[in-house]
Amino acid sequence: GAVVSQHPSRVICKSGTSVKIECRSLDFQATTMFWYRQFPKQSLMLMATSNEGSKATYEQGVEKDKFLINHASLTLSTLTVTSAHPEDSSFYICSAPRREKLFFGSGTQLSVL
Amino acid sequence: DQQVKQNSPSLSVQEGRISILNCDYTNSMFDYFLWYKKYPAEGPTFLISISSIKDKNEDGRFTVFLNKSAKHLSLHIVPSQPGDSAVYFCAASAGTSYDKVIFGPGTSLSVIP
Repeated sequence: GAVVSQHPSRVICKSGTSVKIECRSLDFQATTMFWYRQFPKQSLMLMATSNEGSKATYEQGVEKDKFLINHASLTLSTLTVTSAHPEDSSFYICSAPRREKLFFGSGTQLSVL
Repeated sequence: DQQVKQNSPSLSVQEGRISILNCDYTNSMFDYFLWYKKYPAEGPTFLISISSIKDKNEDGRFTVFLNKSAKHLSLHIVPSQPGDSAVYFCAASAGTSYDKVIFGPGTSLSVIP
């Protein structure tokens, strides 16, 4: 069964609104979680590392004020896409390490109209 | 600048034959290499990995070969089955097998019955 749960699986929103995506580790604690995005027919690009109890670490070129990450507990990390625009439309995936392996959520397809 | 490359975007193989997926990397600091399998609208699932101290790792029908001097690895699937049809991502990381994993662009494998 799944060890990482991601919700929602799909969201359609209007330009200018904010969207929150949740990532939960099931039956294990994750002090670190990772957020990726994937454009069609392209690779998964690491956006940021979410750290429980401290600030997230963002990859170069990723706007931290645009993509807010909150890792408030050992089982939950959230990614909020603020003031979403059509260019933010993408497939967002979270992951968490467990026993030296990386487990992924099922992803969230964001479509901004 | 892609650090992990998969030069074949797609591959078709007859059922029962061998599938060989190739991957090249540029960063000599990478010391863990992983293969993930992904179905559409789902998160990737871990398949097999290899550390840089080895040149081969086998798990059932899946074998990964690593050639450090050539910065090249390959995934062999034998015999190939129709259920193997998916996108396969080569990935690499430095330091651990799960931290800041960098993905290649993926190869779409079709196994023809």
